Amino acid sequence: ETGVTQTPRHLVMGMTNKKSLKCEQHLGHNAMYWYKQSAKKPLELMFVYSLEERVENNSVPSRFSPECPNSSHLFLHLHTLQPEDSALYLCASSQDLSRSSYEQYFGPGTRLTVT
Amino acid sequence: KQEVTQIPAALSVPEGENLVLNCSFTDSAIYNLQWFRQDPGKGLTSLLLIQSSQREQTSGRLNASLDKSSGRSTLYIAASQPGDSATYLCAVSPARVSGTYKYIFGTGTRLKVLA
Repeated sequence: ETGVTQTPRHLVMGMTNKKSLKCEQHLGHNAMYWYKQSAKKPLELMFVYSLEERVENNSVPSRFSPECPNSSHLFLHLHTLQPEDSALYLCASSQDLSRSSYEQYFGPGTRLTVT
Repeated sequence: KQEVTQIPAALSVPEGENLVLNCSFTDSAIYNLQWFRQDPGKGLTSLLLIQSSQREQTSGRLNASLDKSSGRSTLYIAASQPGDSATYLCAVSPARVSGTYKYIFGTGTRLKVLA
């Protein structure tokens, strides 16, 4: 089991619902990431935070809203999603964003289904 | 634009066989390349990380090689076991974009080792 946890593991929501995904890392890392993994597509980087500051927003629709209250926690707030947003959402962390420490550690993911 | 391709998309082998998974990338300017394993519905587990200055990395029955000039990497699995069944993902950190954390992922090779 990795040092990155995600809750919930599975989520079914309607298009008008509001829900949040939570990620917590126990590795003392300073950088955290959200990725989207859709069927038969490569992982897509969504957001990157370093020391609670967002450093990357990879053209993600505003119906996805990230929040990083501290370096151990990362949230993804969801509202008015579309069926095509159904995917596995993965959280990852790394020591920092410097060139000397690339390795990213992933959580188990949240399987999201939008009905 | 960096693209990562993994062929084949799926592979079935009998237990005990040695096998090679392939990863190719279009731009040889990379900081590093990482191989991951993903079990169904789960997150990614890092297997091996090869820096751009390295030619190979080994961990147990796994050996990953990197030929940057030809844009290729291979993951060699010796004496395969049913527990090796998973999807194997390759990811590169491109040097021509800002942010070494911006991994570009392949779509993976789904491996099944038959008992």
